[in-house]
Amino acid sequence: GNSVTQMEGPVTLSEEAFLTINCTYTATGYPSLFWYVQYPGEGLQLLLKATKADDKGSNKGFEATYRKETTSFHLEKGSVQVSDSAVYFCALSQGGSEKLVFGKGTKLTVNP
Amino acid sequence: EAGVTQSPTHLIKTRGQQATLRCSPISGHTSVYWYQQALGLGLQFLLWYDEGEERNRGNFPPRFSGRQFPNYSSELNVNALELEDSALYLCASSLEDRGNTIYFGEGSWLTVV
Repeated sequence: GNSVTQMEGPVTLSEEAFLTINCTYTATGYPSLFWYVQYPGEGLQLLLKATKADDKGSNKGFEATYRKETTSFHLEKGSVQVSDSAVYFCALSQGGSEKLVFGKGTKLTVNP
Repeated sequence: EAGVTQSPTHLIKTRGQQATLRCSPISGHTSVYWYQQALGLGLQFLLWYDEGEERNRGNFPPRFSGRQFPNYSSELNVNALELEDSALYLCASSLEDRGNTIYFGEGSWLTVV
């Protein structure tokens, strides 16, 4: 079945540091890929998405590129802020029975 | 435009009781999904409703059930509550079952004591 593997956290960075959170997936066909963010005490918010190979999703300075050859969708940001502290979830969707399949989440803490 | 709304925000129940959680999808969305986020277990798919029908359920016992109403809102019912049911229950909606983006609500915190 479909699955998502993302790097385990927690990740702690200083403000303005470069961020990479790795995400790889296993799926048949061509899933859509997503990054969701969950701020403390809140629900999930869609951060960005990509629906086909080589697509780049971007939002709020975050980027991720759909790499079919490496089955990856790594999240990057050039300069993190304290307000980026949250849990980040990589997910895939294939319009099938499971809908969104999530990775376990990576907790990011950014210190001033 | 209103997002996905859930109620109640917090709910405390005792073991053996029943809990009912409610969800209103984004206007125009016909699919509603329920996920459980228990501490240390990540996000687990519970149920998917579309056009009033249950389309699929995750690996949860039958005491987890729900329904979708004609206006596409949904209820999640958990019977015979166990301590392990304590979690954040997230509802989400999308336009249809075609890989469209799924939007989440803020969640309902259920605590079983």
